[in-house]
Amino acid sequence: GEDVEQSLFLSVREGDSSVINCTYTDSSSTYLYWYKQEPGAGLQLLTYIFSNMDMKQDQRLTVLLNKKDKHLSLRIADTQTGDSAIYFCAEMSYQKVTFGIGTKLQVIP
Amino acid sequence: EADIYQTPRYLVIGTGKKITLECSQTMGHDKMYWYQQDPGMELHLIHYSYGVNSTEKGDLSSESTVSRIRTEHFPLTLESARPSHTSQYLCASSELNSPTGELFFGEGSRLTVL
Repeated sequence: GEDVEQSLFLSVREGDSSVINCTYTDSSSTYLYWYKQEPGAGLQLLTYIFSNMDMKQDQRLTVLLNKKDKHLSLRIADTQTGDSAIYFCAEMSYQKVTFGIGTKLQVIP
Repeated sequence: EADIYQTPRYLVIGTGKKITLECSQTMGHDKMYWYQQDPGMELHLIHYSYGVNSTEKGDLSSESTVSRIRTEHFPLTLESARPSHTSQYLCASSELNSPTGELFFGEGSRLTVL
């Protein structure tokens, strides 16, 4: 079945860039997503990329997609303490969304 | 901002009790979902619905049941809660034919069964 993998934890200093990586196995993925979960809250869509794109930029966020290697990354420029959260990678295939386990981003002041 | 609400946010109950977790959305979305989120963060789909009178089991087997009598309402029920049901339950919704497949999540119901 479909599988989405990401590392569990990332720690960065405030002001540095954060890069969260994700790999997936489903070659029929149409959309790939990054969701953010703050403590005690539900998930919120941060950004998404269509599978025929290789990059998407939205203010401090840059999403890179390597479809050949099935690798997705999220870069957060000038990381702030408010960016501390869990980031979930997800992919959609045939209307079904599969989530990764989530990467906990810790931002050190 | 998403208009999807879950109650209660936190619930602590004893073993054997019947509980219902409520989920309501005001966006008119046809598709609704229940996810169980383990303490280690992973999300597991336990139920989903395509619309009124439609309910399906998700990827993770669950002893809970759901109903969809109204479009905006998708409650989850546990007839007899056990400590193994302790978890966070997240409700979500989406448009039936959404081009991007975006899911809108509620804030979650954290259940503790003693």
